[in-house]
Amino acid sequence: SAVISQKPSRDICQRGTSLTIQCQVDSQVTMMFWYRQQPGQSLTLIATANQGSEATYESGFVIDKFPISRPNLTFSTLTVSNMSPEDSSIYLCSVVDSRTSTDTQYFGPGTRLTVL
Amino acid sequence: RKEVEQDPGPFNVPEGATVAFNCTYSNSASQSFFWYRQDCRKEPKLLMSVYSSGNEDGRFTAQLNRASQYISLLIRDSKLSDSATYLCVARRGGFKTIFGAGTRLFVKA
Repeated sequence: SAVISQKPSRDICQRGTSLTIQCQVDSQVTMMFWYRQQPGQSLTLIATANQGSEATYESGFVIDKFPISRPNLTFSTLTVSNMSPEDSSIYLCSVVDSRTSTDTQYFGPGTRLTVL
Repeated sequence: RKEVEQDPGPFNVPEGATVAFNCTYSNSASQSFFWYRQDCRKEPKLLMSVYSSGNEDGRFTAQLNRASQYISLLIRDSKLSDSATYLCVARRGGFKTIFGAGTRLFVKA
């Protein structure tokens, strides 16, 4: 199974600042995603990180607020820009491992962000 | 209406009990279905895929009814370690994956 690491694991930030979250996978994966999980809620897809091209954003999420990079098949970053307390959440990187028969989706351990 | 709906619970059951979780999905374009387990402050982890023919993995049985757009998970002989949130998941084409809000389970000694 794909092993995913994220950095930082948690951070406390001041409003108006930006934070970049890194996601590293131990194998090359085609599909990589960024999710948000707000307290007591389920996961919401922010965007699909496309290697070599612009990310595909879901409704309600825009590139200016959540710029994403994906320079290769094992790495991606998500930036939370101009943060406000409403951005306090857990941000999870996810990949689909196409080596499995069911295209299993795996998640990183998450980055717990608190915005003051 | 949410695309994937689950009873949020919580379900409080004694050890050894059988518990069933239900889930409905509204988008008929959904192709693949899964149950994930999420422990407190941890990332979701795949519990099992769900097939129309039904599938079993030890104490866990999952069932899919495409006509009713209904998914179920049955846990037999509950263990304390089964306490977690169980997420119902539907995936459409292009790996568009929708998560339910989750059902919380507490298994008590």
